[in-house]
Amino acid sequence: QVQLVQSGAEVKKPGSSVKVSCKASGGTFTSYTFTWVRQAPGHGLEWMSRIIPILAITDYAQKFQGRVTVTADKSTNTVYLEMSSLTSDDTAMYYCASASAFDGPNAFDIWGQGTMVSVSS
Amino acid sequence: DIQMTQSPSSLSASIGDRVTITCRAGEVIGTYLAWYQQKPGKVPKLLIYAASTLQSGVPSRFSGSGSGTDFTLTISSLQPEDAATYYCQKYNSDPHTFGGGTKVEIK
Repeated sequence: QVQLVQSGAEVKKPGSSVKVSCKASGGTFTSYTFTWVRQAPGHGLEWMSRIIPILAITDYAQKFQGRVTVTADKSTNTVYLEMSSLTSDDTAMYYCASASAFDGPNAFDIWGQGTMVSVSS
Repeated sequence: DIQMTQSPSSLSASIGDRVTITCRAGEVIGTYLAWYQQKPGKVPKLLIYAASTLQSGVPSRFSGSGSGTDFTLTISSLQPEDAATYYCQKYNSDPHTFGGGTKVEIK
């Protein structure tokens, strides 16, 4: 079964960009679809984006269109979330999660440990 | 975006109580509905998928029902370790919107 390991915590200045990684191991990378979810302190879960590496398809929540880019590197089995024009409202824990890409749609049953992104001047 | 409306936003119940949480989708989603449990400081955990299918390893006191737009998560006999926030999520199509969450506390 796939395991997801995310990159470490980030501290960023307002207006800058951040790139968070999610490395998959223990499974066939192209058998999965990956999603990014964030959670601001004290708030609920917010769906951001989904990528299907085998189809090279990416979708974004409307509020993140144009500011977030999700990519997949099949050579390293890694998915990336890049977010630009950061503000304090982007301070949150960012999670990647995976689901089988076949016989879907499928719920996301495997989650990374989360990456804390803090935006402060 | 399609809204997922959970109720109540919080509840307090005693050990052994039956607890019910509802989730209403803003569109028909068939049974493409998942429930997650999140304990403070922890990663969300998939409890139920396809509206009523228990994820492997999840205690049988958890159950889900519903289809279309209205769904329910039930804990048949609340246990101390069930104190957590529960989220529903649609996954029939993007966006995979989450409900606002229901915080379950033990009296």
